[in-house]
Amino acid sequence: NAGVTQTPKFRVLKTGQSMTLLCAQDMNHEYMYWYRQDPGMGLRLIHYSVGEGTTAKGEVPDGYNVSRLKKQNFLLGLESAAPSQTSVYFCASLRVAGSLTYNEQFFGPGTRLTVL
Amino acid sequence: EDQVTQSPEALRLQEGESSSLNCSYTVSGLRGLFWYRQDPGKGPEFLFTLYSAGEEKEKERLKATLTKKESFLHITAPKPEDSATYLCAVQAHLGGGADGLTFGKGTHLIIQP
Repeated sequence: NAGVTQTPKFRVLKTGQSMTLLCAQDMNHEYMYWYRQDPGMGLRLIHYSVGEGTTAKGEVPDGYNVSRLKKQNFLLGLESAAPSQTSVYFCASLRVAGSLTYNEQFFGPGTRLTVL
Repeated sequence: EDQVTQSPEALRLQEGESSSLNCSYTVSGLRGLFWYRQDPGKGPEFLFTLYSAGEEKEKERLKATLTKKESFLHITAPKPEDSATYLCAVQAHLGGGADGLTFGKGTHLIIQP
């Protein structure tokens, strides 16, 4: 049981390049999330998904796209990278427990992205 | 808009010196308040979820409490391995559980031997 995994761990891009970050979870969780973490800003929600084939915008979605073609995978795409997207990106999945859908999110190890 | 404010931003303690971290929040109907621990270069690690005012939870040297406006993370007789950044987050009732968490900026805790 690997939990939540992210690839790659590190990446350097030039402005205008594109890339895809992959998140995978083996816990059969329905909900998955992408956050970014910047110094002095805390973690902020980019996009999320409540199930296979569904996605929704979070707090800071501009410049990013996502896809959830398989339940276990959640992809985050940058079509044209900008220096403002330099950040550490975390994926999380949600375990729902009990009738009141109380939950705890499990986080991956992060992807450190630098855009030059 | 949901807001979470953590204080202090940084805290340096001697080993064995107990203290508390504060998390103040404003949310339109609290669904849950979460505490996470984050070590350098790693993802947040879940510690506690609190759901209603008056609730308390403990894990080893950590104890989390909740009121209607804030939460405290009490650290009793800390050890150097407790050094980390502690994150507080809230989830509102709106969204049916699907919305992500709103995080504070964290408290960077250093325990000196």
